[in-house]
Amino acid sequence: EAQVTQNPRYLITVTGKKLTVTCSQNMNHEYMSWYRQDPGLGLRQIYYSMNVEVTDKGDVPEGYKVSRKEKRNFPLILESPSPNQTSLYFCASSFLPLPGSQETQYFGPGTRLLVL
Amino acid sequence: QKEVEQDPGPLSVPEGAIVSLNCTYSNSAFQYFMWYRQYSRKGPELLMYTYSSGNKEDGRFTAQVDKSSKYISLFIRDSQPSDSATYLCAMSDRYSASKIIFGSGTRLSIRP
Repeated sequence: EAQVTQNPRYLITVTGKKLTVTCSQNMNHEYMSWYRQDPGLGLRQIYYSMNVEVTDKGDVPEGYKVSRKEKRNFPLILESPSPNQTSLYFCASSFLPLPGSQETQYFGPGTRLLVL
Repeated sequence: QKEVEQDPGPLSVPEGAIVSLNCTYSNSAFQYFMWYRQYSRKGPELLMYTYSSGNKEDGRFTAQVDKSSKYISLFIRDSQPSDSATYLCAMSDRYSASKIIFGSGTRLSIRP
């Protein structure tokens, strides 16, 4: 079954304790992306990756890191989480969007993070 | 000012009604326009995609783009209770199809 998986689905942590949210896709997609969703603000892109070892900042990258060592995995790293990073996080993947086209993005089920 | 504005609702209509959802935007470079549907506790799923201006129809759904007014719409005909969800507009420009800006979403409820 084609899918994007995220782990953990729910996480409560404390300020400053490093954490990683994993994302994996089994569709051989080049493009992967991380979003956070907050009430009234919608989805905001954190980082995206066009392929292995190619990553770029989205709109709200501060406080986050990513890596793309393998095509299927795109972990999101919070080196020193703060309460303003409490949010619902989504990973997404698609084939590479080219000029004049837009590939369907498949979203993971979301990770709800609470930073105390 | 946000690049993409969307009325958050909630919007409640009776079953069978025509629903109109809208977004306005400020960046004239936007070329790709999308509508996503998000059910409660789920990730968004792509519903409609339009490149540049014009209309696109898919079953009960019609997407319209008016680039001169920087205004996009999604129409749902013969609305069903299963259409109850949050609808998010999204767009990106011709230079970076991979960098997508989302609206805040409109919560829609269809009353049986």
